[in-house]
Amino acid sequence: AQSVTQLDSHVSVSEGTPVLLRCNYSSSYSPSLFWYVQHPNKGLQLLLKYTSAATLVKGINGFEAEFKKSETSFHLTKPSAHMSDAAEYFCVVRNTGNQFYFGTGTSLTVIP
Amino acid sequence: DAGVIQSPRHEVTEMGQEVTLRCKPISGHNSLFWYRQTMMRGLELLIYFNNNVPIDDSGMPEDRFSAKMPNASFSTLKIQPSEPRDSAVYFCASSIPGGAYEQYFGPGTRLTVT
Repeated sequence: AQSVTQLDSHVSVSEGTPVLLRCNYSSSYSPSLFWYVQHPNKGLQLLLKYTSAATLVKGINGFEAEFKKSETSFHLTKPSAHMSDAAEYFCVVRNTGNQFYFGTGTSLTVIP
Repeated sequence: DAGVIQSPRHEVTEMGQEVTLRCKPISGHNSLFWYRQTMMRGLELLIYFNNNVPIDDSGMPEDRFSAKMPNASFSTLKIQPSEPRDSAVYFCASSIPGGAYEQYFGPGTRLTVT
């Protein structure tokens, strides 16, 4: 069975400081993993995806995520937060049946 | 590419009325998903189609909800009769099945049932 756990429902950082949004998954095989971002009153936009190639994945807007199989984690990071990063972030795992399992989301607040 | 197109963007209706939400997936994508998002329940998968065939509709709340995909470029989600608890944002997403293809989301339809 597949599942996704986002360990923090809310994260606050100061502008210019690093961002860490944590995600753990469970999967019976090598999964496909994604991070999506949702700005207020908008749809979900893909930030990055892991497809069993490089374990460090680079996405848009300076975000990165590292796939760690031993820790079953796929944490999202960014070296320096910008005010425009304030949004809801979703970690997603996909199974072979083309079903996508969404985490409950992490709300990121960026303090000026 | 125009992306996933949803209409209407906003819908306000009275309880008991029929509501139809529409979605046009990205050309070439043959998987389509309907989601509902509320503050209380977050993002919920309602139903998804592969090649126009419903694969999993276990997320459809009750018989008042129905979804169709008559062809590869169009899908509808219908609520009849609508109730205030159906108020939510409804998203449509499409993807290419297989591999690690991601879902592309539409802008959503904000439904308010009074």
